[in-house]
Amino acid sequence: GAGVSQSPRYKVAKRGQDVALRCDPISGHVSLFWYQQALGQGPEFLTYFQNEAQLDKSGLPSDRFFAERPEGSVSTLKIQRTQQEDSAVYLCASRKTSGGARTDTQYFGPGTRLTVL
Amino acid sequence: AQKVTQAQTEISVVEKEDVTLDCVYETRDTTYYLFWYKQPPSGELVFLIRRNSFDEQNEISGRYSWNFQKSTSSFNFTITASQVVDSAVYFCALRTPTGRRALTFGSGTRLQVQP
Repeated sequence: GAGVSQSPRYKVAKRGQDVALRCDPISGHVSLFWYQQALGQGPEFLTYFQNEAQLDKSGLPSDRFFAERPEGSVSTLKIQRTQQEDSAVYLCASRKTSGGARTDTQYFGPGTRLTVL
Repeated sequence: AQKVTQAQTEISVVEKEDVTLDCVYETRDTTYYLFWYKQPPSGELVFLIRRNSFDEQNEISGRYSWNFQKSTSSFNFTITASQVVDSAVYFCALRTPTGRRALTFGSGTRLQVQP
């Protein structure tokens, strides 16, 4: 079956521009996560959705970052007034349940590489 | 607080050598889940294994094996008879059932397998 997909795969933005990154999770997956991966580092948590509800946004680095999942499937991560420090790979992951099943696993998309000039 | 440490930044081996990737974790929770992911040059994180804290049995899957030692808070990953296709960055990760549901990742180990 289809995995997690993300678009665009690459995005170049001039400093100050707004960008929108899209994530299509695996069909039927309840949970959706966004991570930010800086060069040479492990992914770091940004935000978490259970269906359409954003239950945790504690990892968002500033109020320029905003995420939504209005119908409980596709999610968009928006970054306003991009800065050079926003350059990173943004990874989306989905999981089948809300986390109650102890053996559940997060499946990741290929990521969007954002470069801010 | 949770933390995952992968002290080996980069490892280079010659094909057919065995290699072990180290992972040390910290958590105050008694129930937790440990993961290994592979990130090839294409960038996508590929799930390899999940281990629950209450199951210390080691696991083998083909050329891959995992050694979970609660006493030392380690979850090491061994590749036997390495191949060039094993070249990638490998991440160890931790999740607990309380609080944040996200994964806490280590900084990764880059494995280069030379032909």
